[in-house]
Amino acid sequence: GENVEQHPSTLSVQEGDSAVIKCTYSDSASNYFPWYKQELGKRPQLIIDIRSNVGEKKDQRIAVTLNKTAKHFSLHITETQPEDSAVYFCAAQFSGGYNKLIFGAGTRLAVHP
Amino acid sequence: GAGVSQSPSNKVTEKGKDVELRCDPISGHTALYWYRQSLGQGLEFLIYFQGNSAPDKSGLPSDRFSAERTGGSVSTLTIQRTQQEDSAVYLCASRPQGEVGELFFGEGSRLTVL
Repeated sequence: GENVEQHPSTLSVQEGDSAVIKCTYSDSASNYFPWYKQELGKRPQLIIDIRSNVGEKKDQRIAVTLNKTAKHFSLHITETQPEDSAVYFCAAQFSGGYNKLIFGAGTRLAVHP
Repeated sequence: GAGVSQSPSNKVTEKGKDVELRCDPISGHTALYWYRQSLGQGLEFLIYFQGNSAPDKSGLPSDRFSAERTGGSVSTLTIQRTQQEDSAVYLCASRPQGEVGELFFGEGSRLTVL
């Protein structure tokens, strides 16, 4: 069935370092891959997304890369700041005409000053 | 309204009771999703509506769970004969018409089954 695996489950970095979160998906026909950030007690919010016809997308300190052959995509955060501390979720939209968006289990990122 | 509205924000119920959770999406958004988030866990897909139709109900955990959407707007998620394992935050999200795009989440309904 549809599945999205996300690693690591927790990540601790020093302020200014880079953070990388990786996800794999099961359906090779998936066409849309968003990343959401959820701060403690708040709703998830989209931070960046990528479509299957693009290999990389950047937005200031964050970037996402997609390897369709390997069914793998990653989130890169550079020059991390304490306010980047949150839970990050990757997701993949599965095919079949139903636009089913499945999320990974999440990565809890802690950025230490 | 300006965003996705969910009610109640908090619900405490006794095991065996039925509960109804409501989601009012952003006006004009045709796609509506329900997810469940247990404490410290990820977002578990429950059901997706396109208009009033639910093409995929495969995420509903059991036949105690049902959902409907009327008028292409408000949706209700009903849990019958609640169990303690149903305790979680139930998140609703909506999206404008189209195959892909940002999901706008509500604040969620926190359900506690005693």
